[in-house]
Amino acid sequence: SAVISQKPSRDICQRGTSLTIQCQVDSQVTMMFWYRQQPGQSLTLIATANQGSEATYESGFVIDKFPISRPNLTFSTLTVSNMSPEDSSIYLCSVVPLFLGEQYFGPGTRLTVT
Amino acid sequence: AQTVTQSQPEMSVQEAETVTLSCTYDTSESDYYLFWYKQPPSRQMILVIRQEAYKQQNATENRFSVNFQKAAKSFSLKISDSQLGDAAMYFCAYRTRLASGNTGTASKLTFGTGTRLQVTL
Repeated sequence: SAVISQKPSRDICQRGTSLTIQCQVDSQVTMMFWYRQQPGQSLTLIATANQGSEATYESGFVIDKFPISRPNLTFSTLTVSNMSPEDSSIYLCSVVPLFLGEQYFGPGTRLTVT
Repeated sequence: AQTVTQSQPEMSVQEAETVTLSCTYDTSESDYYLFWYKQPPSRQMILVIRQEAYKQQNATENRFSVNFQKAAKSFSLKISDSQLGDAAMYFCAYRTRLASGNTGTASKLTFGTGTRLQVTL
């Protein structure tokens, strides 16, 4: 398995500001993903964080709003830019360890935008 | 595109009893993974069980087992001897299986809408 940490665990932000969420894994992983879970909803994939290259975004998500970095095989960041109340969600980092089929999730970051 | 359907928004079970959560999926692929994840109020997504489509044998993990019906595209989760700690949201998920030797192109997980399980005394 993989141990995943996310910072911050929660935050309350003002409209129009930006927040960067960090995801750190205790071992090298092949793939890292960022998901959003809106209140009472299922998980929706935002993007796949690619090591050393631009992230791959899902339909409805754009780089200007959700810039992602992945400088190495164990770390990634997701920035939520120019926030509005509609961005209030839980943001989860997820990884696929090398040579395994399972996918593991971080503890999530609960974001509230006022 | 793959879709995952969980038709039971909420389920309830008495402690020590057995409950089955339903999941169906739609895919044109023949080789894939299916998962059940548990999300308690702490919001941590916990992998409960995994099934590989090429395996005929149903996966089991202690009190958790699945009934995988590939032809029917059905993947239900059975929880035996339910405990208070089993109360959570349960999500069924689908993912394409990686090609042999190719570990760098895992496809995304597609989730169902979830089933909230309550466990009563």
